[in-house]
Amino acid sequence: DAGVTQSPTHLIKTRGQHVTLRCSPISGHKSVSWYQQVLGQGPQFIFQYYEKEERGRGNFPDRFSARQFPNYSSELNVNALLLGDSALYLCASSFIRVGYTEAFFGQGTRLTVV
Amino acid sequence: GQQLNQSPQSMFIQEGEDVSMNCTSSSIFNTWLWYKQEPGEGPVLLIALYKAGELTSNGRLTAQFGITRKDSFLNISASIPSDVGIYFCAGHPPPPTSGSRLTFGEGTQLTVNP
Repeated sequence: DAGVTQSPTHLIKTRGQHVTLRCSPISGHKSVSWYQQVLGQGPQFIFQYYEKEERGRGNFPDRFSARQFPNYSSELNVNALLLGDSALYLCASSFIRVGYTEAFFGQGTRLTVV
Repeated sequence: GQQLNQSPQSMFIQEGEDVSMNCTSSSIFNTWLWYKQEPGEGPVLLIALYKAGELTSNGRLTAQFGITRKDSFLNISASIPSDVGIYFCAGHPPPPTSGSRLTFGEGTQLTVNP
């Protein structure tokens, strides 16, 4: 079975540009979450989507947005890129049920803003 | 907001030694997860803990959910070179927060000398 897949794996953008990152969850998982991981730190929560609705948002500016599609795949969009947005962006897939919280991560998209 | 303090930040050990790392939180969690991340990859789930006091093993790995629900530890026995990587703890808060909104520690960098 395929795990969580993210695309692209690497990306270089210029300050002020816009970027779209994509994620396909594990088959049967309806929840997708996005995390930002800056070098040397643990991942930071950005968004969670479940059944195509936003269910949580971390402390990130409005330049960050996301959506989930009917097939449960997801996109993360970042507008007006800043140098500080350079990071590894991770997508996590979860099977939501009461009392069960496990997140499985993709390999990430390494974004470099120059 | 919630913060996780993970220690130690780094460990340099000899092959065959046992390793212990821990995480403490300023508030309670309902779930504790331990991940391992290798360079260029996303975090890989090692162990999930759901009940205070729970002790769970996965091969040479053992993790415990603290009684106070504010801490967890991970032990690795008889370390081998392939244990090298960064180990992260992650916690999921109690309701009303739902889904896979995780708070991560800063990570423990493990180096194993053959």
